[in-house]
Amino acid sequence: GQNIDQPTEMTATEGAIVQINCTYQTSGFNGLFWYQQHAGEAPTFLSYNVLDGLEEKGRFSSFLSRSKGYSYLLLKELQMKDSASYLCAVRPPWGQNFVFGPGTRLSVLP
Amino acid sequence: DGGITQSPKYLFRKEGQNVTLSCEQNLNHDAMYWYRQDPGQGLRLIYYSQIVNDFQKGDIAEGYSVSREKKESFPLTVTSAQKNPTAFYLCASCASGRNTGELFFGEGSRLTVL
Repeated sequence: GQNIDQPTEMTATEGAIVQINCTYQTSGFNGLFWYQQHAGEAPTFLSYNVLDGLEEKGRFSSFLSRSKGYSYLLLKELQMKDSASYLCAVRPPWGQNFVFGPGTRLSVLP
Repeated sequence: DGGITQSPKYLFRKEGQNVTLSCEQNLNHDAMYWYRQDPGQGLRLIYYSQIVNDFQKGDIAEGYSVSREKKESFPLTVTSAQKNPTAFYLCASCASGRNTGELFFGEGSRLTVL
């Protein structure tokens, strides 16, 4: 089976940096994804990691350590619009079924 | 513009009624999915289909049914057997074989049982 853990809620200040952690326990692995979801809306794709290391995309970066079953999403220069839920998802190697974590609800305060 | 279209966006149902949620995609994706999301929770897989005329149960398939007669369409029926159907339903698709396997989502359908 698959198990993915994320903090339930986080709060940060506008302009700051925040790191959202994700740990996973899987019997196989074929990539880790981060999605952003604003309240009442569909998730949108942020990043994808399949090899160890850091992937940078503008203000957002995502890191993966496969040996530790660990990833984080780093958000820099936080803006009010970054207030959303951030979903960590793993895709196993034997199929295309993504498994989603519970999501981390981030609140950015002025 | 390519994308996934879900309808209706909001739906109210009386207890004992079946309802069908529509999902259409013009991305030429082989794989399609239905997820359920409850307040403050993550996504749970209801059904998925990797090819036309074939679909598989996800983690919470009881009380739901699907069909995949066309590549573009993957409707979900919420039957009266589903005991707690009030939720936000998301349809998604992705292209089989792509390395990134990015999931594209529809805008969602919010079902409320009265």
